Amino acid sequence: DAGVIQSPRHEVTEMGQEVTLRCKPISGHDYLFWYRQTMMRGLELLIYFNNNVPIDDSGMPEDRFSAKMPNASFSTLKIQPSEPRDSAVYFCASSPSQGLYGYTFGSGTRLTVV
Amino acid sequence: DQQVKQNSPSLSVQEGRISILNCDYTNSMFDYFLWYKKYPAEGPTFLISISSIKDKNEDGRFTVFLNKSAKHLSLHIVPSQPGDSAVYFCAASGHNDMRFGAGTRLTVKP
Repeated sequence: DAGVIQSPRHEVTEMGQEVTLRCKPISGHDYLFWYRQTMMRGLELLIYFNNNVPIDDSGMPEDRFSAKMPNASFSTLKIQPSEPRDSAVYFCASSPSQGLYGYTFGSGTRLTVV
Repeated sequence: DQQVKQNSPSLSVQEGRISILNCDYTNSMFDYFLWYKKYPAEGPTFLISISSIKDKNEDGRFTVFLNKSAKHLSLHIVPSQPGDSAVYFCAASGHNDMRFGAGTRLTVKP
C-alpha cells in the first residue's frame, strides 16, 4: 500500500490565483481529513468526509476554500482566490474508523502564496 | 478555540534521559488521546494512544499517562535517543474528528 498520496508536494502561486491540492486516500478507508499546519496554530482540521460525504466543514477558514470528494479514491481542496496568509502546509489524512488507531497522513503540500 | 494545548513549544534532553511531553485539553467528551511524531518534510505518524477509560498505556520506550480529573496527558520516552528528535503532536478524538495541539519540538542531544 502506497499510503496517502498528496500532490503537488510544493506549490508557489501568486496572490489571486486558484490553487488545487489533491489527495488519494488509502483504499478502504472511509474517513478523509484535510488539515492545515501553521506555526501559530499547529494542525487545524479544515474539513472531513465520511464515505465521500462532507460531515464537518466548520474549520474551513472562509468561502475562498472548498473541498470535494467525488469518489472514494480522490479528494481536492481548492482555494480561490489565494492570499499570502493561506501559505502553510496542507495535510490530507485517511482512516478506516475513529478510535485508538490514529490516522494515516500524507506527506503534505507546502503552499506559498506570494 | 484550541481544545488541545501543548504549552511547551520545545524541549531538549540528553540522550539516555527521560523526555516528558505534556498536553492539556478542555473538552471532557474526548474518547481517545493520541500522540503523533513528525519529522521534517513528512506527515505526522501515529505513535501511541490511550482510551479515556484508562490512565496508562505503555509501548516499549513510550508510555502515555492520562489524568482525566486534570484534563492532562503526558508522553514519557525512556531512554531518549537522538532518533527521537522530532515534533510531537498531542491529539484528542471525539465524535468523528480529531483535534491536535500545536506541537512540541523535542531535541535529544548525543
